Amino acid sequence: DTEVTQTPKHLVMGMTNKKSLKCEQHMGHRAMYWYKQKAKKPPELMFVYSYEKLSINESVPSRFSPECPNSSLLNLHLHALQPEDSALYLCASSQVAWNTGELFFGEGSRLTVL
Amino acid sequence: AQSVTQLDSHVSVSEGTPVLLRCNYSSSYSPSLFWYVQHPNKGLQLLLKYTSAATLVKGINGFEAEFKKSETSFHLTKPSAHMSDAAEYFCVVSATGANNLFFGTGTRLTVIP
Repeated sequence: DTEVTQTPKHLVMGMTNKKSLKCEQHMGHRAMYWYKQKAKKPPELMFVYSYEKLSINESVPSRFSPECPNSSLLNLHLHALQPEDSALYLCASSQVAWNTGELFFGEGSRLTVL
Repeated sequence: AQSVTQLDSHVSVSEGTPVLLRCNYSSSYSPSLFWYVQHPNKGLQLLLKYTSAATLVKGINGFEAEFKKSETSFHLTKPSAHMSDAAEYFCVVSATGANNLFFGTGTRLTVIP
């Protein structure tokens, strides 16, 4: 199994809603990542978890809250988002953080904030 | 510091003709270089990677890239384009000890029937 699975594929939420994005991998990888991608732009790193501990937070607003319940799962909790947060949110994993640069990406969750 | 410059934001080729996507990099250390592909509404997939072994790197789907240190380039090529190659391509650099990947701005490849 070489897949990273993200749910939901599409999410529409209002600015007062609370929702979560989920990511799962069963490759035994110990590093997991959240990226944000706006249209026609490269992905931007948000968070990195290494061995279930948050190792990098790229100055992301607190309305985004990551969680890594175990080595296979990664969540991104969303609260009080703004319309400019609308984007494709990509989850990725790797054997360990950054050691080869080879990341396995999910297909993303496309978020629309109304 | 690490960075990449993708020299073309859009490349258009006819099916069956060669593909060339250009990438120049800047790195303070010995770089690792990658090409990722993203099909519409999909995640990114690794095409190939260079990590200081052979300078000519072969990847999936017939793509290859050559690391040229003297030119600080890592151009992506394919002898014959297929319709399924239409996608966004990202050149990416990393370095030993770096805690991030540095993405280029992407090149959109269009394949004309």
